[in-house]
Amino acid sequence: GAVVSQHPSRVICKSGTSVKIECRSLDFQATTMFWYRQFPKQSLMLMATSNEGSKATYEQGVEKDKFLINHASLTLSTLTVTSAHPEDSSFYICSASLQGVPKDIQYFGAGTRLSVL
Amino acid sequence: AQKVTQAQTEISVVEKEDVTLDCVYETRDTTYYLFWYKQPPSGELVFLIRRNSFDEQNEISGRYSWNFQKSTSSFNFTITASQVVDSAVYFCALSDRGYQKVTFGTGTKLQVIP
Repeated sequence: GAVVSQHPSRVICKSGTSVKIECRSLDFQATTMFWYRQFPKQSLMLMATSNEGSKATYEQGVEKDKFLINHASLTLSTLTVTSAHPEDSSFYICSASLQGVPKDIQYFGAGTRLSVL
Repeated sequence: AQKVTQAQTEISVVEKEDVTLDCVYETRDTTYYLFWYKQPPSGELVFLIRRNSFDEQNEISGRYSWNFQKSTSSFNFTITASQVVDSAVYFCALSDRGYQKVTFGTGTKLQVIP
């Protein structure tokens, strides 16, 4: 099956630093990747949709300058949390959809737990 | 607007008991897809099922079964003879007509006690 690798799985950083999270599709080309945020004991909230070679589409209320998304190739999308603050601490999950397949069929990474001190 | 409601926040059952997780959805689309995902403590989401709105047949896969009732906008998930490995958070989800976005419910945490 399609495998999505997300790295790192956990990161702890100081307030004010930037953190980059990578999402890779290992055995398929992902035309679209999605970034979700999950607060403790809550649901997944879609942050943005990323298409290869174009700008990401952000959901309402998500700061695009805060959460930079780059989808430079068909197998890699990155999320950079810029100048992270404690309120950015959360679980971030990426997913990818296959070319030619409905975008709601998504393969998820294992998530990245971000803790900002 | 789409909405998925999982009214049960946490459920505890003793191993080998059957358990049903409820899911109620709202959508204005006539074409949509419903999903169930499992999120074990490790965090990754595991896909369980995708069902389109035109297929109301119940589905069984091993100990898992799903009951889709359009009349009540429900897509319930039953685990038969539960096992400790079933302990996880289960999310019901709904995708829109253009299949561009998936809306997740708030999840039901299932604890299976040995």
